[in-house]
Amino acid sequence: ETGVTQSPTHLIKTRGQQVTLRCSSQSGHNTVSWYQQALGQGPQFIFQYYREEENGRGNFPPRFSGLQFPNYSSELNVNALELDDSALYLCASSAIQGNTEAFFGQGTRLTVV
Amino acid sequence: GENVEQHPSTLSVQEGDSAVIKCTYSDSASNYFPWYKQELGKGPQLIIDIRSNVGEKKDQRIAVTLNKTAKHFSLHITETQPEDSAVYFCAANRRGYSTLTFGKGTMLLVSP
Repeated sequence: ETGVTQSPTHLIKTRGQQVTLRCSSQSGHNTVSWYQQALGQGPQFIFQYYREEENGRGNFPPRFSGLQFPNYSSELNVNALELDDSALYLCASSAIQGNTEAFFGQGTRLTVV
Repeated sequence: GENVEQHPSTLSVQEGDSAVIKCTYSDSASNYFPWYKQELGKGPQLIIDIRSNVGEKKDQRIAVTLNKTAKHFSLHITETQPEDSAVYFCAANRRGYSTLTFGKGTMLLVSP
């Protein structure tokens, strides 16, 4: 186990609703990244937070937003849910930003109906 | 941006055989290359990584090789076991950048 925990594990939402996903990073890690993994695909980078500030963003619209808290835990918020947002959302923590080992949580499976 | 190609998409081997998964990357500035194993219903697990100042790295039955000139890297699993069955992802990262760029994955099936 990596020590990265995500909640909830599964979630079903209706199109147009909003959702908040949560992640607790591994002890000693101050950088959290979020990824979206569609079925049968590799994870796609959404954004990264370092010391409570966004530090890089992938090709995702502004309705995907996030927060990082002083204890380095993080939230991913998605507004105006669309059917294509159905995916596994993964959180990864690392000790410092940049290319160091990133450890993933088990993910949150979001289904939008 | 970076683009990572991975093949094969599926690989079936007999227990005890070796398995090789190959990836190519496009950004010559990428210098960190991790490999992840993802079992059904779980998040990706880091199994081995390599940096661009090293050509090969081994950890028991797993090894990774890197050819910077050709911009490709490979995962080698020897003496495969049924518990090695999973989806394997390669990834690349450029120093100082936030993102890991992943390949599309290889489903490895090891038959007893």
